[in-house]
Amino acid sequence: AQSVAQPEDQVNVAEGNPLTVKCTYSVSGNPYLFWYVQYPNRGLQFLLKYITGDNLVKGSYGFEAEFNKSQTSFHLKKPSALVSDSALYFCAVRERSGNTGKLIFGQGTTLQVKP
Amino acid sequence: DVKVTQSSRYLVKRTGEKVFLECVQDMDHENMFWYRQDPGLGLRLIYFSYDVKMKEKGDIPEGYSVSREKKERFSLILESASTNQTSMYLCASSLGGTGGRGTEAFFGQGTRLTVV
Repeated sequence: AQSVAQPEDQVNVAEGNPLTVKCTYSVSGNPYLFWYVQYPNRGLQFLLKYITGDNLVKGSYGFEAEFNKSQTSFHLKKPSALVSDSALYFCAVRERSGNTGKLIFGQGTTLQVKP
Repeated sequence: DVKVTQSSRYLVKRTGEKVFLECVQDMDHENMFWYRQDPGLGLRLIYFSYDVKMKEKGDIPEGYSVSREKKERFSLILESASTNQTSMYLCASSLGGTGGRGTEAFFGQGTRLTVV
């Protein structure tokens, strides 16, 4: 069965420190991978995606993510966290085959950046 | 910019009522989705549609139905609302077909439904 795991419910970092939000997946083949962010009482905003090519992808607001095929992981990173980065982050995968665009989401990780 | 609009931000309904949640997108996307979001459970897919009048069940379709009569509109229907359907509901759309592979989905702002 396809699944996405975000092993940490919450990640706490100090402002200015690097941050990592972890994501692993179990999907047949090589999926498309996505990160979304959600601010309180809002919908999800797209951050970045991995389609093919370079394993390090860059996205919005200084975020980047590293695709690791052997570890089936797609961890979200940022070199220097801001208090405004505090939000709920979701990892999602989509199979390469088929055209329906169905996304499978992880359970979400709350990022808390303290001043 | 893609815009996905959900008709209500907040709704309060009584147990047993029939509830309609409406979603409209303005980018001519083929795919549309309804997700339910609950703390600790992430987003769970209720139903999706990849074309007008086409629909498929997601992971948790029980107690819900959908309607897609026009390409831009995807409605979620709670036939008889129950308290365990109190949740945040998110609509999304994405480009379909082979050209849409690898493209991201765009989300509405969400509808927080409370069933009392």
